[in-house]
Amino acid sequence: GAVVSQHPSWVICKSGTSVKIECRSLDFQATTMFWYRQFPKQSLMLMATSNEGSKATYEQGVEKDKFLINHASLTLSTLTVTSAHPEDSSFYICSARDMAVYEQYFGPGTRLTVT
Amino acid sequence: RKEVEQDPGPFNVPEGATVAFNCTYSNSASQSFFWYRQDCRKEPKLLMSVYSSGNEDGRFTAQLNRASQYISLLIRDSKLSDSATYLCAVKGDSWGKFQFGAGTQVVVTP
Repeated sequence: GAVVSQHPSWVICKSGTSVKIECRSLDFQATTMFWYRQFPKQSLMLMATSNEGSKATYEQGVEKDKFLINHASLTLSTLTVTSAHPEDSSFYICSARDMAVYEQYFGPGTRLTVT
Repeated sequence: RKEVEQDPGPFNVPEGATVAFNCTYSNSASQSFFWYRQDCRKEPKLLMSVYSSGNEDGRFTAQLNRASQYISLLIRDSKLSDSATYLCAVKGDSWGKFQFGAGTQVVVTP
């Protein structure tokens, strides 16, 4: 099946710093990518929808100035957590939609720990 | 009320037994339904889509009840490797936005 990669797979950063997470579709083009966050024993919560060449659409309650999303190409979307706080520690997962087959594939996730 | 709700479990199932659990959704306009499997600290992996007529894939059977707004997953002849958290996902619009349940944990014991 189609492959979506994320980098890094885990990261530890200090409070107040910024962290960038990359999501790449490796063998298909994705005009739309989705960013989710999952806290322990909770569901995946959609944070934002990332559209290639346009601004991301954020879900209610998600601060767009804190979670910067850039979808500069058909194979890459990035999520930057700015001024990270310990409460931002979570599992961040992206998914990418393959328009050719109308399927959606998840990346392996990035575990962020803010100390 | 959450849009998608699941019994968190855990469901402790002897190897070889059958286990079934449901997922309820609140949006009656929801279009598509899926079951995902998530292993600890990993990303969800699609297990199966859920069709209106119900569908079966090997030991797994999924059903959709639109009138009562729930989907179900049944696992027959449980294997140790079936131990995981099973997430239901509901897609409400054509943009592909999923709403996920918090997952049902299944533990298959020898």
